[in-house]
Amino acid sequence: DAGVTQSPTHLIKTRGQQVTLRCSPKSGHDTVSWYQQALGQGPQFIFQYYEEEERQRGNFPDRFSGHQFPNYSSELNVNALWLGDSALYLCASSLGETPNYEQYFGPGTRLTVT
Amino acid sequence: RKEVEQDPGPFNVPEGATVAFNCTYSNSASQSFFWYRQDCRKEPKLLMSVYSSGNEDGRFTAQLNRASQYISLLIRDSKLSDSATYLCVVRGDSNYQLIWGAGTKLIIKP
Repeated sequence: DAGVTQSPTHLIKTRGQQVTLRCSPKSGHDTVSWYQQALGQGPQFIFQYYEEEERQRGNFPDRFSGHQFPNYSSELNVNALWLGDSALYLCASSLGETPNYEQYFGPGTRLTVT
Repeated sequence: RKEVEQDPGPFNVPEGATVAFNCTYSNSASQSFFWYRQDCRKEPKLLMSVYSSGNEDGRFTAQLNRASQYISLLIRDSKLSDSATYLCVVRGDSNYQLIWGAGTKLIIKP
């Protein structure tokens, strides 16, 4: 049973550049959430995709955008990168409206902006 | 005030000891509650969901007090492998968003 996969694992970008991160959910899951985790902090919710639409968004600027494909995989795009965007970006998958809403995380993409 | 607050840690505990983590949340309409574990430079992994009646999984016991908006995690007979950061997570009233505490780092010493 394939778990959540993310690519790439590490990425170094320069301020002002754009980046695309990718996520494939756990087999059987249809919902993908993206989080940003700065060093020493808990994950911060960016947005969630369900049925190819952004279902909910956290307190992140429009520079952060995403997409979900028919196979439930997802992309996170960040434009005009800032130094402060350096973080671990986590993708989590879940199954629609499961009662306990448990999320399963991928290994993350560590983004460094210089 | 942060929406989910945890003890800042780190907790340095001898192997075999019992350790307790506390967490408070600000939104009384919160629906679901979880404890996640995160090893250094790894992704968070679900440790256990927290139910109103309290629940136990081996050496781990979770409690929820809705009136006080308080969640706890108790680890008995701690092992070296329990060393990690423990994150308290609350599902907000918006239904989909999970709100995370900053985590409490636990270090078990032999």
